[in-house]
Amino acid sequence: EPEVTQTPSHQVTQMGQEVILRCVPISNHLYFYWYRQILGQKVEFLVSFYNNEISEKSEIFDDQFSVERPDGSNFTLKIRSTKLEDSAMYFCASSEDTTNYGYTFGSGTRLTVV
Amino acid sequence: AQKVTQAQTEISVVEKEDVTLDCVYETRDTTYYLFWYKQPPSGELVFLIRRNSFDEQNEISGRYSWNFQKSTSSFNFTITASQVVDSAVYFCALSGERNTGFQKLVFGTGTRLLVSP
Repeated sequence: EPEVTQTPSHQVTQMGQEVILRCVPISNHLYFYWYRQILGQKVEFLVSFYNNEISEKSEIFDDQFSVERPDGSNFTLKIRSTKLEDSAMYFCASSEDTTNYGYTFGSGTRLTVV
Repeated sequence: AQKVTQAQTEISVVEKEDVTLDCVYETRDTTYYLFWYKQPPSGELVFLIRRNSFDEQNEISGRYSWNFQKSTSSFNFTITASQVVDSAVYFCALSGERNTGFQKLVFGTGTRLLVSP
């Protein structure tokens, strides 16, 4: 069963530091996403990415956030100058086509900002 | 705007009981997709089902079944003969055409299911 792989599984960072969360989507998938889940709350969409550009972003995804596909396999989420309220589980996902076939989530990165 | 409502915050059952998790959605799209995901205590999101808006047939997979009713905008999930391993948070989600070609999933707030021995 193909998987979306996320690293690290848990990251602790000091407030004000930059973090990069990494994801390896399923190899034949074309659409990539980041979601966020604050502890005990629902999963919220951050951004979608297709053909090397952002296709949609939520109001949460402000200038503090950026995404990149630096090579043919990785998809990263960078958070600049982290705040305490950025503490959450961050999920990467990928899908094969526009009908969301095979929409698969990674196991998540738990980010703790102290 | 699209919206998913899971009114049941937490459900507790005893093993072997049947349990139904409710999901009601709102959308103005004629084409849309509905999903259920399971989130066990370990935190990952496990895909359970994807259903498109044109397929109203109920689906059964082992102990799991889904009842999709467009007339009431509901996509309910039933676990038959529940087991302790079913204890998790279950999320219903929706994607529609207006969201840049279905790319964004809108999640409900989840239902925590506790199955005791």
